[in-house]
Amino acid sequence: GNSVTQMEGPVTLSEEAFLTINCTYTATGYPSLFWYVQYPGEGLQLLLKATKADDKGSNKGFEATYRKETTSFHLEKGSVQVSDSAVYFCALSRPGNTPLVFGKGTRLSVIA
Amino acid sequence: KAGVTQTPRYLIKTRGQQVTLSCSPISGHRSVSWYQQTPGQGLQFLFEYFSETQRNKGNFPGRFSGRQFSNSRSEMNVSTLELGDSALYLCASSLAGTQAGDTQYFGPGTRLTVL
Repeated sequence: GNSVTQMEGPVTLSEEAFLTINCTYTATGYPSLFWYVQYPGEGLQLLLKATKADDKGSNKGFEATYRKETTSFHLEKGSVQVSDSAVYFCALSRPGNTPLVFGKGTRLSVIA
Repeated sequence: KAGVTQTPRYLIKTRGQQVTLSCSPISGHRSVSWYQQTPGQGLQFLFEYFSETQRNKGNFPGRFSGRQFSNSRSEMNVSTLELGDSALYLCASSLAGTQAGDTQYFGPGTRLTVL
């Protein structure tokens, strides 16, 4: 079946550090891949997405590249800020009447 | 463009009661999906409605039901509440829904606490 595996958190970084959150997936065919972010007390916000192999999604300094050969979609940011503290979810979507499949989420805490 | 809205934001109920949650999608979006989020199980898909028809259903008991109106607004109902139903219930809307692998936009959620 379809599944998403994210690195376990929590991740604690100092401000301006480099961030990587690993995400790998299992799916047949060619899924679309997403990163969502959830700030405390809020719902999920779409951070970025990629719909085909080698696509790079980017937003607010975050980037992720769809790597079909390694079935990965790792999230990166060059310099994190305290305001980036949140839970990050990797997700996939396959056309054909299948719902979004989420990873378990990675909690990021950035300290000043 | 206004985002997805959910009402109420917070609810406290007791075991055995029933509850109805409401979701208004982004204007023009015809698909509404519901998810349950708990610390233990993470995000789990409940069901999807498209043009007033349930198009997909997750693995939840029949106590969980929903419907969609002609204006695409959706309601979710949980009957005979159990303690384990305490969760954040998230609604997401999209243009064409899961069939098209479309991007889903989430509301802020309804936090349900069952005592």
